[in-house]
Amino acid sequence: LAKTTQPISMDSYEGQEVNITCSHNNIATNDYITWYQQFPSQGPRFIIQGYKTKVTNEVASLFIPADRKSSTLSLPRVSLSDTAVYYCLVGDMAGLGSSASKIIFGSGTRLSIRP
Amino acid sequence: EAGVVQSPRYKIIEKKQPVAFWCNPISGHNTLYWYRQNLGQGPELLIRYENEEAVDDSQLPKDRFSAERLKGVDSTLKIQPAELGDSAVYLCASSSVFGGVSYEQYFGPGTRLTVT
Repeated sequence: LAKTTQPISMDSYEGQEVNITCSHNNIATNDYITWYQQFPSQGPRFIIQGYKTKVTNEVASLFIPADRKSSTLSLPRVSLSDTAVYYCLVGDMAGLGSSASKIIFGSGTRLSIRP
Repeated sequence: EAGVVQSPRYKIIEKKQPVAFWCNPISGHNTLYWYRQNLGQGPELLIRYENEEAVDDSQLPKDRFSAERLKGVDSTLKIQPAELGDSAVYLCASSSVFGGVSYEQYFGPGTRLTVT
């Protein structure tokens, strides 16, 4: 059961690129890496998921080195609306009936964007 | 397409009283999750359903918490009796499963429970 470690908080400015790194030294072969974003008074929102190398979508990029012991969420040109808590999850996203599929959110990284 | 619907949004009860939360997942999603989120912490999984079956309820405090998902669609989470420490936001999420990989979870807005 992989445990993740993220910075408690980060600050940045509008227009900057923000990189949030998550450590998961005990990641297992079948584990995927997933990032969620949560605004106050809302449920978390899926950002991106990956297994290895690089994944990019319209919102963010996820970089995963070859040893997969860490991952970096990259948010390009952040705005004030990107102020939120970001969670890194690592788990075996197995399918139906899998008891091995464990889903654990840590405390997340509180990202604050300033004008 | 409607998202995950939860009700009520807020609930205030006295300790030792029962309380129930309702969740209607996104249409077609076979997996449903209930989470509890304490202030300043990440969501903690309470129970996960695959269709009607509870495949992971290891974190559900079974002495006072119960859940059901009849017909594999909507679900109810109940606490009886409630304790002061149960004050939290209760989140419901749903997802689809394809080819052995669970796609992203879609969360509802949550129910904020206050036990006095």
